[in-house]
Amino acid sequence: AQTVTQSQPEMSVQEAETVTLSCTYDTSESDYYLFWYKQPPSRQMILVIRQEAYKQQNATENRFSVNFQKAAKSFSLKISDSQLGDAAMYFCAYRNPQGGSEKLVFGKGTKLTVNP
Amino acid sequence: ETGVTQSPTHLIKTRGQQVTLRCSSQSGHNTVSWYQQALGQGPQFIFQYYREEENGRGNFPPRFSGLQFPNYSSELNVNALELDDSALYLCASSLEVMTPLHFGNGTRLTVT
Repeated sequence: AQTVTQSQPEMSVQEAETVTLSCTYDTSESDYYLFWYKQPPSRQMILVIRQEAYKQQNATENRFSVNFQKAAKSFSLKISDSQLGDAAMYFCAYRNPQGGSEKLVFGKGTKLTVNP
Repeated sequence: ETGVTQSPTHLIKTRGQQVTLRCSSQSGHNTVSWYQQALGQGPQFIFQYYREEENGRGNFPPRFSGLQFPNYSSELNVNALELDDSALYLCASSLEVMTPLHFGNGTRLTVT
């Protein structure tokens, strides 16, 4: 079974600084998707960034970028120029596209605090 | 886009009771999935419906069941509630399978 591990229960960063959140996963599949979701106190899961395993280039979305290391099964999220609105729970998630299921396997999350 | 809306926001039930949670997906979204998020944990996949048929299920007992309707709404039903069923229940919809998921704000269920 696929598993996702986030080893940092909590992280903090100063406003305008850069922070990296870690994620590792375990799978025997070669084709899959990886995601980072943000969950603010409103509870809604918001997609931050997505990476297809077959793509060697790391995904970027404005201030958010990933470091995808397929061989090491590592998928870290870098947030540059951190803003107060970035404070939230961040979840790493895995999806296997086989079988047509939308099943996402989530890690336990990292709580990010942004200090002014 | 009208977004994904869930009702109720909060709910308190007694052990042994039954509960129905509701989700209204974005118009045109044929796929809906439900997740259970216990306190301090990541969401866990319960099941998925595509065009009103269940087409994927996580490791949850049969007392967790669902329905999807032609008007893009769906229900999660839980029978014989247990204390461990206390959690945030999230609904997510997508246009088709393997397109981006849109999550609702969830229903917080407390079982006493």
